[in-house]
Amino acid sequence: DAGVIQSPRHEVTEMGQEVTLRCKPISGHNSLFWYRQTMMRGLELLIYFNNNVPIDDSGMPEDRFSAKMPNASFSTLKIQPSEPRDSAVYFCASIQGFEQFFGPGTRLTVL
Amino acid sequence: GIQVEQSPPDLILQEGANSTLRCNFSDSVNNLQWFHQNPWGQLINLFYIPSGTKQNGRLSATTVATERYSLLYISSSQTTDSGVYFCAVTNDYKLSFGAGTTVTVRA
Repeated sequence: DAGVIQSPRHEVTEMGQEVTLRCKPISGHNSLFWYRQTMMRGLELLIYFNNNVPIDDSGMPEDRFSAKMPNASFSTLKIQPSEPRDSAVYFCASIQGFEQFFGPGTRLTVL
Repeated sequence: GIQVEQSPPDLILQEGANSTLRCNFSDSVNNLQWFHQNPWGQLINLFYIPSGTKQNGRLSATTVATERYSLLYISSSQTTDSGVYFCAVTNDYKLSFGAGTTVTVRA
């Protein structure tokens, strides 16, 4: 299995632009997580999907952030409009049983 | 959420040395995972170990769930072991991460 796949791996954009991050979970995993990692706050859970349904979005920082999971093999995290404080590494993870497996992350820089 | 404390925060090792990293947590858990974040930022699963002992090559881990701690052992360290080691726990689905131990292995 290829593991969790994320794209793009790096994204540089200007403040105000829309950013879309993509994730393909491991086949057969029915839960998906989006995390954000910054130096100041460490790893934070943004949103959790189970069977494509958002279960917990309490970590989504504000309305500028939205996430979707239209099917079991694809999820997106969108930021619109982006701000410099959104700069971080965004990880997607999927779960088998209780064990979470992380993708390689997307390093986002908002100028 | 569950509080997770990792120690030491930083560790500098000479290649070939052994070391022990510790993770304390504040509540009972059904999941405990150790991760290695390499210098390229990738989070690599090391162990899923809510209790007991596991070994994988030069790495091993022990979790004593009743006393709410876990230990990660690195033996015969290599420069490729450098990076940040995270402990993460949960009793539902929301992983709580420790602040990590930054390990630097010098040749």
